[in-house]
Amino acid sequence: ETGVTQSPTHLIKTRGQQVTLRCSSQSGHNTVSWYQQALGQGPQFIFQYYREEENGRGNFPPRFSGLQFPNYSSELNVNALELDDSALYLCASSSLSGANVLTFGAGSRLTVL
Amino acid sequence: GQQLNQSPQSMFIQEGEDVSMNCTSSSIFNTWLWYKQDPGEGPVLLIALYKAGELTSNGRLTAQFGITRKDSFLNISASIPSDVGIYFCAGHGESSSNTGKLIFGQGTTLQVKP
Repeated sequence: ETGVTQSPTHLIKTRGQQVTLRCSSQSGHNTVSWYQQALGQGPQFIFQYYREEENGRGNFPPRFSGLQFPNYSSELNVNALELDDSALYLCASSSLSGANVLTFGAGSRLTVL
Repeated sequence: GQQLNQSPQSMFIQEGEDVSMNCTSSSIFNTWLWYKQDPGEGPVLLIALYKAGELTSNGRLTAQFGITRKDSFLNISASIPSDVGIYFCAGHGESSSNTGKLIFGQGTTLQVKP
């Protein structure tokens, strides 16, 4: 059983740039959620994707957007990067029957300079 | 919005000691989950609780879903060095059970002295 994989593991961007983070869900999972974890904090929910559509969104501005593909993998896009966007971005997948139980990837560490 | 207050913020204990941490909320939660996060990794699920009053064990770990549905605790018995890490409580509020929107506490950093 393959777990949740994310890429890239680390990246550095400058203010104003755009970034795309990628996630492959665990085998058998059809739902993907994205979280932002600032240093020393708990993860914060960005949004969830199910059947290629956004299914719930946290308190994040529209410059945070996402996609889910037919194979259930997902992308997180962030436009007009700000310094405060520096964080660990976590992807989590779940199955419809176990929607409450999320399996997390190792995350993508984004640094915005 | 809904928030979880997790305590203590950090703990430094001797190997073999028992550990207890808890989480409280001002609003009702339908699910309580406990995760552990090691450096450079994502959170890993330890225990999931689905009913008020539920008491569940996973090896040396025991967690309970509070009767009021506004709190939960995690106990670790006979701690060992590999218990080191950050422990997070998380839960689904009444309006977000089907959206994947987990609300996380701030975490408890556990250090174990051999």
